[in-house]
Amino acid sequence: AQSVTQLDSHVSVSEGTPVLLRCNYSSSYSPSLFWYVQHPNKGLQLLLKYTSAATLVKGINGFEAEFKKSETSFHLTKPSAHMSDAAEYFCVVTRGAGNMLTFGGGTRLMVKP
Amino acid sequence: GAVVSQHPSWVICKSGTSVKIECRSLDFQATTMFWYRQFPKQSLMLMATSNEGSKATYEQGVEKDKFLINHASLTLSTLTVTSAHPEDSSFYICSAVLSYEQYFGPGTRLTVT
Repeated sequence: AQSVTQLDSHVSVSEGTPVLLRCNYSSSYSPSLFWYVQHPNKGLQLLLKYTSAATLVKGINGFEAEFKKSETSFHLTKPSAHMSDAAEYFCVVTRGAGNMLTFGGGTRLMVKP
Repeated sequence: GAVVSQHPSWVICKSGTSVKIECRSLDFQATTMFWYRQFPKQSLMLMATSNEGSKATYEQGVEKDKFLINHASLTLSTLTVTSAHPEDSSFYICSAVLSYEQYFGPGTRLTVT
């Protein structure tokens, strides 16, 4: 079975400092992994996805994530936080061979001025 | 491209009544759509898989007679919450599949009074 664990439910950073949102997964096969962002009362926006190509994946808005198979991790990073980055972030793994997804519990990112 | 809409964006209904939520893929056809619900400050939980022209597949614990799903065309899936109760109040999000990737709608906030 596939599962996703987001290690921090809340992360608080100051504007201009680096962001690290941690995600570990378990899967019985080579999964596809995603990071989505959700602003309050909004739908989900895809930040980036890993599909067995390059292990370092660059996404939108300056975010990137590195797939580390040995550590079963897919942490999301950004060099410099912006106030507009404050939102809920979900790490997601494909579930089985089809299109179904399993969501992590989410990490709320707060950015202080 | 790959835009998914939901209607309404928010709805308030009285306990015991039914409410229908629409999910449309605006610029592509989708044989598969998914319905999720999200409680406040929680992650997304898959409710069901909606397949055009066939019966929906419900996740364990989701009452199919309460949450009626109809995928009558390649661009429209509907979720009807029947005999709604206050505990059905939630944020409902749909997604549509294009080229093995899910594109999410903006969500519908349902409040049952």
